Amino acid sequence: DAGVTQSPTHLIKTRGQQVTLRCSPKSGHDTVSWYQQALGQGPQFIFQYYEEEERQRGNFPDRFSGHQFPNYSSELNVNALLLGDSALYLCASSLESRWASYNEQFFGPGTRLTVL
Amino acid sequence: QKEVEQNSGPLSVPEGAIASLNCTYSDRVSQSFFWYRQYSGKSPELIMSIYSNGDKEDGRFTAQLNKASQYVSLLIRDSQPSDSATYLCAVKSDRGSTLGRLYFGRGTQLTVWP
Repeated sequence: DAGVTQSPTHLIKTRGQQVTLRCSPKSGHDTVSWYQQALGQGPQFIFQYYEEEERQRGNFPDRFSGHQFPNYSSELNVNALLLGDSALYLCASSLESRWASYNEQFFGPGTRLTVL
Repeated sequence: QKEVEQNSGPLSVPEGAIASLNCTYSDRVSQSFFWYRQYSGKSPELIMSIYSNGDKEDGRFTAQLNKASQYVSLLIRDSQPSDSATYLCAVKSDRGSTLGRLYFGRGTQLTVWP
């Protein structure tokens, strides 16, 4: 049973560029949440996708956008990269319902983004 | 603004001792609580979840929840050097406008020395 997978593992970009990160959830899960973890900090919630729609969004600018595909995989896009976007980007998968959120979230290995 | 606070650490204990990690949260209506372990350079790994007041044991790990005090803790018995990691406390929102998102503390770094 494959766990949560993310690609790429590492990425180096320059300021102003755009980046796309990818995530495939754990088998049987239908919901993907994205988190940003800066060095020495806990993960910060970016947004969550359920039924191919953005269900929740954290306090991140519109430069951060996402998508969920019919097979439940997801992408995170960041435009106009800033130095401060350098972080570990984590994808977490879970099995949710439209009206309740009671299940555990399991993280993928993450993508380390460095913006120069 | 939901806040999750963890004891700042770092925490250092000898092998075989009990490590105690603490966490408080600000949102009184939170219902789901989690402990994640994160090794340096790796992603968080779920080690415990707890939803009801009281204790929940899993091997050497015991999670304790007190909703009245808005407090959750993790005890690690017979600590091993392999337990050395950062432990993240997470609280899950269970209501409408913030449904499904996890709020994390900054983590407590634990070192178990032989």
